[in-house]
Amino acid sequence: DQQVKQNSPSLSVQEGRISILNCDYTNSMFDYFLWYKKYPAEGPTFLISISSIKDKNEDGRFTVFLNKSAKHLSLHIVPSQPGDSAVYFCAASEAGNTPLVFGKGTRLSVIA
Amino acid sequence: GAGVSQSPSNKVTEKGKDVELRCDPISGHTALYWYRQSLGQGLEFLIYFQGNSAPDKSGLPSDRFSAERTGGSVSTLTIQRTQQEDSAVYLCASSQGVGGIVGQPQHFGDGTRLSIL
Repeated sequence: DQQVKQNSPSLSVQEGRISILNCDYTNSMFDYFLWYKKYPAEGPTFLISISSIKDKNEDGRFTVFLNKSAKHLSLHIVPSQPGDSAVYFCAASEAGNTPLVFGKGTRLSVIA
Repeated sequence: GAGVSQSPSNKVTEKGKDVELRCDPISGHTALYWYRQSLGQGLEFLIYFQGNSAPDKSGLPSDRFSAERTGGSVSTLTIQRTQQEDSAVYLCASSQGVGGIVGQPQHFGDGTRLSIL
């Protein structure tokens, strides 16, 4: 039973356009959500997070949206750049500093 | 260093041997986590240390797996009598770990790629 689901294993976007990565969760106790980016042979790099008291958090080109009623979050990258090509993982936790539950990732390819 | 450091970066061993993986967290981080990523899968939680509290071992897949954290800093994950299904990338993460405060992301090392022949 996957508590965090990323239903799109891959996504291709043209450079300069918007990339939208989606994530769904089932555990209503999750209150902290994160996105990580991972390049091959490297560990995941923290990108952006959002707590359940907010519905949007923005950091430069990255914006995360949270829809608690739908148990859905999304990561928007705009404009997309070739260096954004990586695997993106959605993660969630209960009460902040507890182990993260990860989705299986979405491979983003930004085409120049 | 500034980040989470893991060693070795790669480990190849024969089935049945014991292995030890090391993690050096970010200085001052009180919370330390071990995860593993098998081929084509997301990250799977293994064990969690928070300060001096008893570790949360709920993610360990079998009693062949154990971990310790000495002096509240460096951690070692030990796998005894390795099996081929133990082949994976083992990732360590740390966070500031102040209880009750939401919004402290975990920062990951580059992992140890373990291959069991």
